[in-house]
Amino acid sequence: AQKITQTQPGMFVQEKEAVTLDCTYDTSDQSYGLFWYKQPSSGEMIFLIYQGSYDEQNATEGRYSLNFQKARKSANLVISASQLGDSAMYFCAMREHGYNKLIFGAGTRLAVHP
Amino acid sequence: NAGVMQNPRHLVRRRGQEARLRCSPMKGHSHVYWYRQLPEEGLKFMVYLQKENIIDESGMPKERFSAEFPKEGPSILRIQQVVRGDSAAYFCASSPTSALAAEAFFGQGTRLTVV
Repeated sequence: AQKITQTQPGMFVQEKEAVTLDCTYDTSDQSYGLFWYKQPSSGEMIFLIYQGSYDEQNATEGRYSLNFQKARKSANLVISASQLGDSAMYFCAMREHGYNKLIFGAGTRLAVHP
Repeated sequence: NAGVMQNPRHLVRRRGQEARLRCSPMKGHSHVYWYRQLPEEGLKFMVYLQKENIIDESGMPKERFSAEFPKEGPSILRIQQVVRGDSAAYFCASSPTSALAAEAFFGQGTRLTVV
């Protein structure tokens, strides 16, 4: 069964430092996609980054990068040079080939301290 | 290009009433998804629709909940005879295709409170 696990309920980081948010997934499919979303206190869901299971390179989008380790079934989000505005909930999600729905983890609440 | 529009943003209903949540997908998007988020939890898939068709409703409760996406107009998530446990944030998302990498664009959500 599809499952996403985010083991860190809360994390904090000093402004300008890097932080890694963990995500592991469980699937028996060979073709799948992994997504990270940010949910600030205002409540909207903001897409950050995508990694396909067949992508050989780790995905990067500005200050966001995805540390994809397929054999370990992990897709950790790395945020470099943290900013106060990065304080939010972060959700990892997966979509399997042939299914359109996203399966979300429970989320990690990140607090960036000045 | 307007994003995914959900209304109302906040909805208060008494137990036993009906709740209707509306979602207008982004222009050109024909794939619509509804998710529910309980406090301090992740989003849970409810239903996936294309125009006039329900494609996957595996996450929908068997009773009281229904969804539609008519040929004209927004997608509607309908909850009949609401109970306190229905209080949650309901998010709609849309995508242009059903491709694996297709980004799902989310609306702002509707916060339903049942009193």
